[in-house]
Amino acid sequence: DAKTTQPNSMESNEEEPVHLPCNHSTISGTDYIHWYRQLPSQGPEYVIHGLTSNVNNRMASLAIAEDRKSSTLILHRATLRDAAVYYCILMNGNKLVFGAGTILRVKS
Amino acid sequence: NAGVMQNPRHLVRRRGQEARLRCSPMKGHSHVYWYRQLPEEGLKFMVYLQKENIIDESGMPKERFSAEFPKEGPSILRIQQVVRGDSAAYFCASSPQWGASTDTQYFGPGTRLTVL
Repeated sequence: DAKTTQPNSMESNEEEPVHLPCNHSTISGTDYIHWYRQLPSQGPEYVIHGLTSNVNNRMASLAIAEDRKSSTLILHRATLRDAAVYYCILMNGNKLVFGAGTILRVKS
Repeated sequence: NAGVMQNPRHLVRRRGQEARLRCSPMKGHSHVYWYRQLPEEGLKFMVYLQKENIIDESGMPKERFSAEFPKEGPSILRIQQVVRGDSAAYFCASSPQWGASTDTQYFGPGTRLTVL
C-alpha cells in the first residue's frame, strides 16, 4: 500500500482556516486520496476524497497538487468540534490503511 | 436512516473467555469491514466481508479470530480464548457499493474490549 506522510500535530485558532498537508510521493495513477477524521472516543468519520481535481463539500475542501504527490485538506473555519485526528489515506481497492494521522488542536 | 450500529459498546472478558462483537451495517449496505485500534496505536484493517462471503481477511490474526456476515442478521467478529493483548477498540464500517476506491466507509461507534 502506498504511504502517506503527515505532521504529527497542528494547532489552530477557532474561526480561522486550517491547512492540513499530506505527502504521498509514491501514489499510483489509480489511488484515490481519502481523508477521514476521528474525534475522541468515536469511530472515524469520512471527510472528503478526490483523484485529480480539487474537491469541495460541506465539511472541507481538498486541494490536490498537479503531480498528485501531495494534497491539502482545508477546513475553512475551524471550530472546537473539529479537534480530532485527521487521516490522509490512499485507497486502491477496498480497505483503508490508516497511518498515524495529524492531531489537530483548536484553541478558543 | 440509522447509522452503523455496534454492540455491545463495552465488553469485559477474562482471559480464556470468548468475545462476540456485533455490527449492523447501514440500511442498504452489503459490505462490512472490521478494524482494530490498540491502545495508543492507529487503526488496522482486519477483514472485509460481503453477505455470506469473506472477501479479504489479510489483517486477521491467524488464530482465535473469525468473522462472518450471514445472509440475515448482523456481522459477527468472534475472538476465542481472549488474551490481554486483545484489549482494544474494534470498529465496524459499512459501504454501499462495490468495495471500490471511491466508496465512503461509514463507521460505527466501536466496541471497547477489555480483557482482565
